[in-house]
Amino acid sequence: QLHLQESGPGLVKPSETLSLTCTVSGGSIIDSSCYWGWIRQTPGKGLEWIGNIYYSGDTFYNPSLQSRVTISIDTSKDQFSLKLSSVTAADTAVYYCAREDNTWYGVYYFDYWGQGAQVTVSS
Amino acid sequence: QSVLTQPPSASGTPGQRVTISCSGSSSNIGSNTVHWYQQLPGTAPKLLIYNNNQRLSGVPDRISGSKSGTSASLAISGLQSEDEGDYFCAARDDSLNGCVFGGGTKLTVL
Repeated sequence: QLHLQESGPGLVKPSETLSLTCTVSGGSIIDSSCYWGWIRQTPGKGLEWIGNIYYSGDTFYNPSLQSRVTISIDTSKDQFSLKLSSVTAADTAVYYCAREDNTWYGVYYFDYWGQGAQVTVSS
Repeated sequence: QSVLTQPPSASGTPGQRVTISCSGSSSNIGSNTVHWYQQLPGTAPKLLIYNNNQRLSGVPDRISGSKSGTSASLAISGLQSEDEGDYFCAARDDSLNGCVFGGGTKLTVL
C-alpha cells in the first residue's frame, strides 16, 4: 500500500520561502503511470492544485502560482519537494502531496494522498 | 471561487437517496472525466469515484457517479450516518493543464 508523508516547517514568515518534502513509501517514485503533485486547501478557496512532477523531472504548474513555485524530485530518496517563494498570509493552508494516476490515456486522478501539513504564514 | 460549482450543502435521512451536482465547462468536465472525493474532518480527501463512474475498490455500490455534457453528479442511496462528510468533484482542465476542484458539498445525515 502506497503511503505519502509531508514534512516541513509549520510556520513561515511573510516574504520567505515555504518548503515541504513528501516521502513516498510502499512503492517507487519511479513510476511511468503517474505524476506526483501538490495540492493545498483553505477554508476560503477550497482545494487548489499547485503543480505536478513526473519521475523524469518534468514539471507542470498552476499558472496562478507558477512565478513562485518550484517542484523537484529526488528519485534516490523517493521524495519530491515543494518550494513556494515570497509567501503571504494568503498562502496559509493545509498542503497535501498526492499521487496522480495516469494509467489510462487522458485520465488523471489523485488516488493516494498524504495526511496534509498545516502551514501558517505569520511573523 | 472554485472552477467547478457544487451546492454548499445537501442532506437526507437514513435510507434516503441524495445526489450532489458538479457543474463545469467545456475545458474541464466537457472534455475530461470526473472524479469524486470524500473528506472527513481532519483528514485528507479520499477517492471514491474515478473516470466518471468507476468505484474504487471497497466503495459500496450504493455510491455511484455519472456525467453528462459539462455536468456530473454523485448519488448516494441507502444513506447512512457514516456518509456524513464533505464531497468534492474534480476534473482535469485543458486550459490549466492540471486538476480543478469543486468547492465541496457538506452532506448531513439527519
